[in-house]
Amino acid sequence: EAEVAQSPRYKITEKSQAVAFWCDPISGHATLYWYRQILGQGPELLVQFQDESVVDDSQLPKDRFSAERLKGVDSTLKIQPAELGDSAMYLCASSGFRDYGYTFGSGTRLTVV
Amino acid sequence: GQNIDQPTEMTATEGAIVQINCTYQTSGFNGLFWYQQHAGEAPTFLSYNVLDGLEEKGRFSSFLSRSKGYSYLLLKELQMKDSASYLCAVSRSNYQLIWGAGTKLIIKP
Repeated sequence: EAEVAQSPRYKITEKSQAVAFWCDPISGHATLYWYRQILGQGPELLVQFQDESVVDDSQLPKDRFSAERLKGVDSTLKIQPAELGDSAMYLCASSGFRDYGYTFGSGTRLTVV
Repeated sequence: GQNIDQPTEMTATEGAIVQINCTYQTSGFNGLFWYQQHAGEAPTFLSYNVLDGLEEKGRFSSFLSRSKGYSYLLLKELQMKDSASYLCAVSRSNYQLIWGAGTKLIIKP
């Protein structure tokens, strides 16, 4: 069964440091999403890509967060500098053309200390 | 505005039936999803409703009423492994999902 690959699985970083997450969606899936999920809350969309283009990054804190999907395949989400409030699960998901629903990767649990 | 409401937490007994409700107000509607999320893991797809009525899949069923902005997830013959959070999500016209905060379901022996 096709999967969305994410790494690392866990990350501990000190505040003010830079951190990056990687995602490889299911082959052929044009749409890729990065979500942040704080414990006890639903996922919050950070950025949506259609191929290599950003479709929606209205909730991305652009002063510290950046995302790219240069070749329209895998994607990287970066935080610089990390803050204590960034501690959360970062989820990547992908979907095919007009797929109903997303497939999520296993997520990256970020702890900022 | 856009809003999805579901109970924060529910408790049920192993072997019993539980119904988790979800109400929504969104701009545009392209279907409603239920996802299961175990602690520390990513959400996994359970069900999708786009037309009114009941969709049954094994022990899990999902119901939708578009006119009432209402859905429920019904879990039968509860097992301990069903202890998880259940997330309701609505697909808008652009296929983007709007998520509820999730309902934490606690199963007791």
